[in-house]
Amino acid sequence: GAVVSQHPSRVICKSGTSVKIECRSLDFQATTMFWYRQFPKQSLMLMATSNEGSKATYEQGVEKDKFLINHASLTLSTLTVTSAHPEDSSFYICSAAVGAPGYGYTFGSGTRLTVV
Amino acid sequence: GENVEQHPSTLSVQEGDSAVIKCTYSDSASNYFPWYKQELGKRPQLIIDIRSNVGEKKDQRIAVTLNKTAKHFSLHITETQPEDSAVYFCAASSDQFYFGTGTSLTVIP
Repeated sequence: GAVVSQHPSRVICKSGTSVKIECRSLDFQATTMFWYRQFPKQSLMLMATSNEGSKATYEQGVEKDKFLINHASLTLSTLTVTSAHPEDSSFYICSAAVGAPGYGYTFGSGTRLTVV
Repeated sequence: GENVEQHPSTLSVQEGDSAVIKCTYSDSASNYFPWYKQELGKRPQLIIDIRSNVGEKKDQRIAVTLNKTAKHFSLHITETQPEDSAVYFCAASSDQFYFGTGTSLTVIP
């Protein structure tokens, strides 16, 4: 089946630094990827939708300059948390659309970010 | 945009009993409704899904029903087992994907 590989699984960084999270579709082309953020015991909150070759669409309230998304190829999307602060500590997870929009989705394994 | 509501937020059942989780959505364009099971710190795992042209779908102990007119859909788990304990999320999707708020299910042995 369709697999999305997400790295790193865990990262600890200092305040003010930037962290890049990668999601790769291993055996299919992911035209569209979704990035979510999840706080403990809460639901997954859609941050942005990225389409290969175009700018990401951010959800209301999500700072596009802070959460940089790049979807440069059909198999790779990256999320960069810039100038990270402790409040950015969270579980970040990507999801790729498999086939046509609304057909199905597969998730990466998630990244636990801790900013100290 | 889409607004997905999910109830209850927590649910405890005795082993062997049934569990029902309900979701409502707002966008009539949504046409795909998956349910996910998520264990702590792990990715959501798809357990069952239903499309808008179907009213009910069953897979062993799990079933999902969809009422397009009322814009609600439900997850039914029968003969619950302790390993069913997890957080369950519904979602609604057209070209984007929105999750419900989650239900923490505890199955008491």
